[in-house]
Amino acid sequence: GAVVSQHPSRVICKSGTSVKIECRSLDFQATTMFWYRQFPKQSLMLMATSNEGSKATYEQGVEKDKFLINHASLTLSTLTVTSAHPEDSSFYICSASQGGKKETQYFGPGTRLLVL
Amino acid sequence: KQEVTQIPAALSVPEGENLVLNCSFTDSAIYNLQWFRQDPGKGLTSLLLIQSSQREQTSGRLNASLDKSSGRSTLYIAASQPGDSATYLCAVRLYNQGGKLIFGQGTELSVKP
Repeated sequence: GAVVSQHPSRVICKSGTSVKIECRSLDFQATTMFWYRQFPKQSLMLMATSNEGSKATYEQGVEKDKFLINHASLTLSTLTVTSAHPEDSSFYICSASQGGKKETQYFGPGTRLLVL
Repeated sequence: KQEVTQIPAALSVPEGENLVLNCSFTDSAIYNLQWFRQDPGKGLTSLLLIQSSQREQTSGRLNASLDKSSGRSTLYIAASQPGDSATYLCAVRLYNQGGKLIFGQGTELSVKP
């Protein structure tokens, strides 16, 4: 149980285009989803927290107009990288939490984005 | 501001050796601490979660300890195997932050056969 999927697993795009990444909780309802970014040989950095039906909360230094997050249902959150540039190339990982006392986060397999 | 540090950044050991990975955090007011494993190009697999009221957790060959007062946690791996080769990340969950996790930079472990 508690499986989180991401789609696509890998994407290559041209500079200036927009890319949408989906994060789905397959067998549970996720009240909260988190989006992280990981550069090579570095740790995960939280980008934003999204709660179903409300606006995402972005971490300091993360541009909300560039990284659009939508959490329209209890099983799906999307991250859209708008007008992507080479410096946006990274590994994007989502996690989902059911809520409740322990609020364990279950992580997706990640999406590798390469912007040419 | 909470900061999480992991030492060493990389570790190479022969198969069969017992080893310890270290994690330190600057603010002891944490809700829990979690150890993850990450294989290259993959997502995270949760290994052990220690609540703030607990001192340690064990799962198979893994044992994680938590000393909140000193801001430290260790992950002990017994009888290491080549399949243990991966990056190990620790993360702390903060109080009243909606489940937000702060990650260390990880320890890259290589177990040589």
